[in-house]
Amino acid sequence: AQKITQTQPGMFVQEKEAVTLDCTYDTSDPSYGLFWYKQPSSGEMIFLIYQGSYDQQNATEGRYSLNFQKARKSANLVISASQLGDSAMYFCAMRGAGANSKLTFGKGITLSVRP
Amino acid sequence: KAGVTQTPRYLIKTRGQQVTLSCSPISGHRSVSWYQQTPGQGLQFLFEYFSETQRNKGNFPGRFSGRQFSNSRSEMNVSTLELGDSALYLCASSQGTSSYEQFFGPGTRLTVL
Repeated sequence: AQKITQTQPGMFVQEKEAVTLDCTYDTSDPSYGLFWYKQPSSGEMIFLIYQGSYDQQNATEGRYSLNFQKARKSANLVISASQLGDSAMYFCAMRGAGANSKLTFGKGITLSVRP
Repeated sequence: KAGVTQTPRYLIKTRGQQVTLSCSPISGHRSVSWYQQTPGQGLQFLFEYFSETQRNKGNFPGRFSGRQFSNSRSEMNVSTLELGDSALYLCASSQGTSSYEQFFGPGTRLTVL
């Protein structure tokens, strides 16, 4: 079975500063994908970044980067130069193969960006 | 390229009724998944369809069903609605299963009275 753990309470960050959102995972699949999604108050899930389990380098997408530490089973999201529009709920998720091909989500972290 | 669309966006039903939600995936995407999101349970997987076949199913009662058409559009149906079915229902599409990222629609917010 797959499991995603996000234990941070609500996070606060000052505008233009960087913030790290923690995520640990557990799976027995040798091949899997790790994802981060943003969900603003409107409800839509917005795809941010993807990391494959066999990728040698950490994924980056604009201001988002994923700090992937496979041995520790962690996949932390780093947001650089925070903007007010980054205030939202952030979900870490993973997807394996076969019966685990569904997305398994963590409980999410609320991020508030202060002006 | 148009994103994932879901209709209707909002729905109010009463207990015992049934409801059908629709999802149109991104053009070219053959996989459609459905998720239920509630404050208490978070995001839970309902089912996944690929090329009109159900590939995966979550732990939901048989009142929840779905299907996928030849044009990859998908519908999910909930019969005999219960108060606890009130939730945001999200549809996601991807090019395939496993490692492909899923792109979500805006969701259908269902309220059961």
